[in-house]
Amino acid sequence: QQQVKQSPQSLIVQKGGISIINCAYENTAFDYFPWYQQFPGKGPALLIAIRPDVSEKKEGRFTISFNKSAKQFSLHIMDSQPGDSATYFCAARRGGYGQNFVFGPGTRLSVLP
Amino acid sequence: EAGVAQSPRYKIIEKRQSVAFWCNPISGHATLYWYQQILGQGPKLLIQFQNNGVVDDSQLPKDRFSAERLKGVDSTLKIQPAKLEDSAVYLCASSLSGGAQYFGPGTRLLVL
Repeated sequence: QQQVKQSPQSLIVQKGGISIINCAYENTAFDYFPWYQQFPGKGPALLIAIRPDVSEKKEGRFTISFNKSAKQFSLHIMDSQPGDSATYFCAARRGGYGQNFVFGPGTRLSVLP
Repeated sequence: EAGVAQSPRYKIIEKRQSVAFWCNPISGHATLYWYQQILGQGPKLLIQFQNNGVVDDSQLPKDRFSAERLKGVDSTLKIQPAKLEDSAVYLCASSLSGGAQYFGPGTRLLVL
């Protein structure tokens, strides 16, 4: 129940295309859902995050869509660029005392020039 | 604002040896996390501190791993003795109080 599932495992997109990564969870105690971007040799960097009382959040080319009833959320990268090539992780925070995070297994995105 | 600092960046040791990692969080961040990231996987929480107290260490292999956060600022993570399966990147992250996390660059450990 603490798990976060993520798909696809890898994704190849042409420059200018839309990249879509999906995540699903079971635990209704999760109260905060961030996405992280990780380049090789670097630590994950917070990209965008959403709370379950919001269905969509947009920041620049990055959008999170959240479906509370389906317990699913997704990251959309519009106008994908080669510089977006990285591994993306979704995560979920367990609310209440402690508030620790569970991460998905990651999606390796390659944007072709 | 300085980010999360970690050292060393790389470490190679023989199995059964000991190793220690250091983390300096962002100034003012009360919550500090240590994660283990095995190649091709997402980060797995090892231990979480709130100031200098442990909030969650349920996934820390306590027979060989230990961590402390003296004075509620810097933290060290130790492995003794190391096993081959401990080869991973050890990430430190901090947050103001359980919110958005900021990660350091990680320490890459190779156990031979």
